Amino acid sequence: AQSVSQHNHHVILSEAASLELGCNYSYGGTVNLFWYVQYPGQHLQLLLKYFSGDPLVKGIKGFEAEFIKSKFSFNLRKPSVQWSDTAEYFCAVNAYYGGSQGNLIFGKGTKLSVKP
Amino acid sequence: GAGVSQSPSNKVTEKGKDVELRCDPISGHTALYWYRQRLGQGLEFLIYFQGNSAPDKSGLPSDRFSAERTGESVSTLTIQRTQQEDSAVYLCASSFWGSSDTQYFGPGTRLTVL
Repeated sequence: AQSVSQHNHHVILSEAASLELGCNYSYGGTVNLFWYVQYPGQHLQLLLKYFSGDPLVKGIKGFEAEFIKSKFSFNLRKPSVQWSDTAEYFCAVNAYYGGSQGNLIFGKGTKLSVKP
Repeated sequence: GAGVSQSPSNKVTEKGKDVELRCDPISGHTALYWYRQRLGQGLEFLIYFQGNSAPDKSGLPSDRFSAERTGESVSTLTIQRTQQEDSAVYLCASSFWGSSDTQYFGPGTRLTVL
């Protein structure tokens, strides 16, 4: 079965530090890839997504992610984090099976705490 | 415009009771999803409605779980004879056309089974 792995359960950074959150998935076929974010007290919302084309995807609030097909990875990056980036980040994958879309499979999430 | 809404926001019930959770999707969204999030875990897919097609129930953990959707409107997730392991946050999401489209999430219902 398809799975999504997020390597870090909790990341603690100081403001202005660089961020990279790992995400790996297990399916070898066509995939759509997403990062969702949940800020404290708020709903889950889309941060960025990859469907096709340029493997470097830019999202809101200065985040970006790079799809590396050979590594089955979709890591999230930000050059300089802010205290307001404190949130939980979820990687998700939607695979195509025989031309049909599968369901969205989520990783377990990474909590990011940014110290002011 | 209005987002996805869910009710109740919190539900405490006794083991063995039935519960109903409600989701109002964004108007015009043809796809609706239910997920479960247990403490410290990721989102676990439960069920997916797409337009008038038969729902994808592949994620329902047992026959105690069922869901209905009226057209492209409200959905109800029902858990019969609740167990303590059913305690979780139940999230609903909707999207315009399908599972690869951006999903918009509601605030969730926190279910506690005593």
